[in-house]
Amino acid sequence: DAMVIQNPRYQVTQFGKPVTLSCSQTLNHNVMYWYQQKSSQAPKLLFHYYDKDFNNEADTPDNFQSRRPNTSFCFLDIRSPGLGDAAMYLCATSRTGEGNQPQHFGDGTRLSIL
Amino acid sequence: GQNIDQPTEMTATEGAIVQINCTYQTSGFNGLFWYQQHAGEAPTFLSYNVLDGLEEKGRFSSFLSRSKGYSYLLLKELQMKDSASYLCAVTDSNYQLIWGAGTKLIIKP
Repeated sequence: DAMVIQNPRYQVTQFGKPVTLSCSQTLNHNVMYWYQQKSSQAPKLLFHYYDKDFNNEADTPDNFQSRRPNTSFCFLDIRSPGLGDAAMYLCATSRTGEGNQPQHFGDGTRLSIL
Repeated sequence: GQNIDQPTEMTATEGAIVQINCTYQTSGFNGLFWYQQHAGEAPTFLSYNVLDGLEEKGRFSSFLSRSKGYSYLLLKELQMKDSASYLCAVTDSNYQLIWGAGTKLIIKP
């Protein structure tokens, strides 16, 4: 089945220790998104790629970086995680960025900071 | 600013019907989505409305009134597995998806 896969499901890292979360998709969708979601809050868009074009949200901290080496893969790098970065990180894809296509989500990576 | 309002929490009984409302104020409108999110899991797509009216999909229906900036999700014949959060999201004029915080639906036997 075509799908969005995130690894790992659970990630524990130390305060200040860099961490990378990964996402892959077999849907061949043009757009890939990274969201941060904290308990009982709306998903917060960090950035998205339309093909290779990177779009950063204005309020995304510099601590968060992303890479999309090819259509199928996208990575979220957190350079120096702080306690406030503990959250669920969701990767999503959509066929186009025109806003009328649903986004398809991976299962998420729950990040804990020690 | 852009805003989406949903009730924080609702409770309903198994087998009953529940309506979850969503109101929005956004810069432009290019469609409204409803997603279901079980605790600790990712959102899954339920419905999309871009024209006024009711879209029915099995036990779930979604309604839109663009003039009122209003939508609702109607769930019929509630089952225990319907206990989840339901998120309303609107695509604005820049094709950016604006998310509500979600409504936590609790189903009681």
